[in-house]
Amino acid sequence: KNQVEQSPQSLIILEGKNCTLQCNYTVSPFSNLRWYKQDTGRGPVSLTIMTFSENTKSNGRYTATLDADTKQSSLHITASQLSDSASYICVVSAGGYNKLIFGAGTRLAVHP
Amino acid sequence: SAVISQKPSRDICQRGTSLTIQCQVDSQVTMMFWYRQQPGQSLTLIATANQGSEATYESGFVIDKFPISRPNLTFSTLTVSNMSPEDSSIYLCSVEVEGMYEQYFGPGTRLTVT
Repeated sequence: KNQVEQSPQSLIILEGKNCTLQCNYTVSPFSNLRWYKQDTGRGPVSLTIMTFSENTKSNGRYTATLDADTKQSSLHITASQLSDSASYICVVSAGGYNKLIFGAGTRLAVHP
Repeated sequence: SAVISQKPSRDICQRGTSLTIQCQVDSQVTMMFWYRQQPGQSLTLIATANQGSEATYESGFVIDKFPISRPNLTFSTLTVSNMSPEDSSIYLCSVEVEGMYEQYFGPGTRLTVT
């Protein structure tokens, strides 16, 4: 069964600190892995997309890694800001628009 | 990229009534999708809105409950029919830009059924 599991479910950090969110998946066939940021009351916004051959991709203070062998991905946030408070969703594509497998998300709260 | 707007942004409805949600995109797109996000959960695909033909529904979703229209390449509507409290969710419109992996999401419609 195709699954995407994220950890932790929720996380509280202080402003300026770094954090890493985890995503493990069992999806086949694998097409690409995406990280989205979803602010409260808003739709998800894409942060990074990685294909099988990519093992790291950055978008500003966000850096995603992908280990296709162990089927793990991480999203590292550097020097966190209050505006980073949101849910971060890991999504794996098994090929095709209707083959997106969504993780449950990690809810991050950045406190001053 | 694509900019997506949805109306209404939120609504509170009574059991047994219906609500139509509109989705407008700022450019022509082939693929438009409707998702549901129940409280505390992740997104579930309801259906793909096809221009000029019936929508394609995912397992567990039926046309009588969630009729969809797609009159052109920039607009779609989703109706939530005969609502019950279990339909309380965020409903999101999404589009895929042709030739790219990217899916763009609208801001969502927060529906509460009492």
